Amino acid sequence: EIVLTQSPATLSLSPGERATLSCRASQSVSSYLAWYQQKPGQAPRLLIYDASNRATGIPARFSGSGSGTDFTLTISSLEPEDFAVYYCHQRSNWPPLITFGQGTRLEIK
Amino acid sequence: EVQLVESGGGLVQPGGSLRLSCSASGFTFSSYAMHWVRQAPGKGLEYVSAISSNGGSTYYADSVKGRFTISRDNSKNTLYLQMSSLRAEDTAAYYCVKDWSWGQGTLVTVSS
Repeated sequence: EIVLTQSPATLSLSPGERATLSCRASQSVSSYLAWYQQKPGQAPRLLIYDASNRATGIPARFSGSGSGTDFTLTISSLEPEDFAVYYCHQRSNWPPLITFGQGTRLEIK
Repeated sequence: EVQLVESGGGLVQPGGSLRLSCSASGFTFSSYAMHWVRQAPGKGLEYVSAISSNGGSTYYADSVKGRFTISRDNSKNTLYLQMSSLRAEDTAAYYCVKDWSWGQGTLVTVSS
């Protein structure tokens, strides 16, 4: 089973600052990695898929990078609505198994 | 556009059963593996089960193995999760997932 480890667990920043979130896989997942944002009471919202592709409607301040085992989600300039929990998610084609990181909570400093 | 709509959640007593459904549209359902993922209140995301595109192979998390059964009806574009011997720790929002696309979830509460 592939384990995803996110860091930091909590990130305290101010609006306008740059956020860098990390996701490390226990073995290579190629580029089969996505990032999601989740706010209380809502379903996860897809931000980035296949490591670096922005999902439809996602602002350009969100970007993803990496391949293999190390991945990064960057938010270039935080807006008030960006404070939420972020998860990384990997999937394999066969067998069709998926795993998640434990989440990074992005909070207002 | 991929659309996944879950239904069937609700309140059930410990030891009871429930069947969740996920109606899919916007893609060729029979060509894709599908997954169930859950999230307990205040907790992270947990993989529950997966099924291959033709339904011939299934996978389960250890926490639900022997109690939950995943299935699909490709003629109806629908994914199912039959849950039995439910426990309080199964209380969660249950999501249907295809690749990177998620439904809005259905809430299952196991309580007496």
